[in-house]
Amino acid sequence: EDQVTQSPEALRLQEGESSSLNCSYTVSGLRGLFWYRQDPGKGPEFLFTLYSAGEEKEKERLKATLTKKESFLHITAPKPEDSATYLCAVQLAETSGSRLTFGEGTQLTVNP
Amino acid sequence: DAGVIQSPRHEVTEMGQEVTLRCKPISGHNSLFWYRQTMMRGLELLIYFNNNVPIDDSGMPEDRFSAKMPNASFSTLKIQPSEPRDSAVYFCASSHSDRGYTFGSGTRLTVV
Repeated sequence: EDQVTQSPEALRLQEGESSSLNCSYTVSGLRGLFWYRQDPGKGPEFLFTLYSAGEEKEKERLKATLTKKESFLHITAPKPEDSATYLCAVQLAETSGSRLTFGEGTQLTVNP
Repeated sequence: DAGVIQSPRHEVTEMGQEVTLRCKPISGHNSLFWYRQTMMRGLELLIYFNNNVPIDDSGMPEDRFSAKMPNASFSTLKIQPSEPRDSAVYFCASSHSDRGYTFGSGTRLTVV
């Protein structure tokens, strides 16, 4: 069965304390892995798409990496405004259209 | 671009009543998705359309749920009759080809 698992469920950091979020997946064929950020009361906001092992993408304090089994979202010197829930999702090679299957998210809190 | 527009933002209804949620996707996007988000189950795909045609409705929980996309700029998700366990945030998202989704702000449904 295809699975997407995110860890930890929740993470508290001090401002400036770098860390990483994990997304591990067990799927039969990966077309792409997506990262989203969700703020309370809002819809998820697209961050990155990764397509192949070894690929990396960066945006401000965030960097996403991909291996054959997992993806990491590295947060460097986070600020309180980085507090949000971070979701990863996989797109499978054999599915039609662009259907995504989401993990349950990591709730990140950055304290000033 | 106004993004994906959902209405209403909040809906409170009594058990047994019909509920209709509405979505206007981004112009030019050819795929539309309805998701439900709860604390217990996270983001679950209910149904998605490609070029206005329903592709996969296996996530629709019961026959009480139905979705339509009469044209490229409008979709509805209907629940009839509604039950308290349908209470959740319902998101609509649209995408173009295999690119990442753009989510709407969601409709928070409460069935009492």
